[in-house]
Amino acid sequence: DARVTQTPRHKVTEMGQEVTMRCQPILGHNTVFWYRQTMMQGLELLAYFRNRAPLDDSGMPKDRFSAEMPDATLATLKIQPSEPRDSAVYFCASGLVGTRRARNYEQYFGPGTRLTVT
Amino acid sequence: RKEVEQDPGPFNVPEGATVAFNCTYSNSASQSFFWYRQDCRKEPKLLMSVYSSGNEDGRFTAQLNRASQYISLLIRDSKLSDSATYLCVVRNTGKLIFGQGTTLQVKP
Repeated sequence: DARVTQTPRHKVTEMGQEVTMRCQPILGHNTVFWYRQTMMQGLELLAYFRNRAPLDDSGMPKDRFSAEMPDATLATLKIQPSEPRDSAVYFCASGLVGTRRARNYEQYFGPGTRLTVT
Repeated sequence: RKEVEQDPGPFNVPEGATVAFNCTYSNSASQSFFWYRQDCRKEPKLLMSVYSSGNEDGRFTAQLNRASQYISLLIRDSKLSDSATYLCVVRNTGKLIFGQGTTLQVKP
């Protein structure tokens, strides 16, 4: 049963520290998404990649956030420096888009990284 | 104004009840529509796609009204296990836009 994996599952850090979150998409999926979920804002798209190329990062605060896909099996989201307002659950999702095997643009979510910045 | 709007609820219903959730979206160019389900402290999962002609999956019925930019989800004979947050989702180009979610609590 293929799944998206994310590490760490929980992270508590102090303001100003660097945070790196990792995601392993489902093998064969060509699109990877990063979301942030808070009670106030709900689920917000931060950035997404297709075939490892960044397509849209307009939802991401550029001054402190960065997202990369160094290879097809790893996506990273980095916050430097972190701030208390970054506290949220960060989800990675993957999907297969724009191919004959694509199904309804379904996205498969990882379990999330619960980040607390104190 | 958010691009996808839902009543957050909560909807508290007894087992066996029928419950309906509604959702409106602002971008008339939206291309696809979905309902996702999210259990407490878990990730969202696709519940069903929503087609223009309406579609049914067991106890769940989804409807789309493109003219009114309105999507609905009907749950019949609700079960305790249906308790969750239901997220209305629209696709614009390659992106999914999520509503805030409607919380359902089914009580015995």
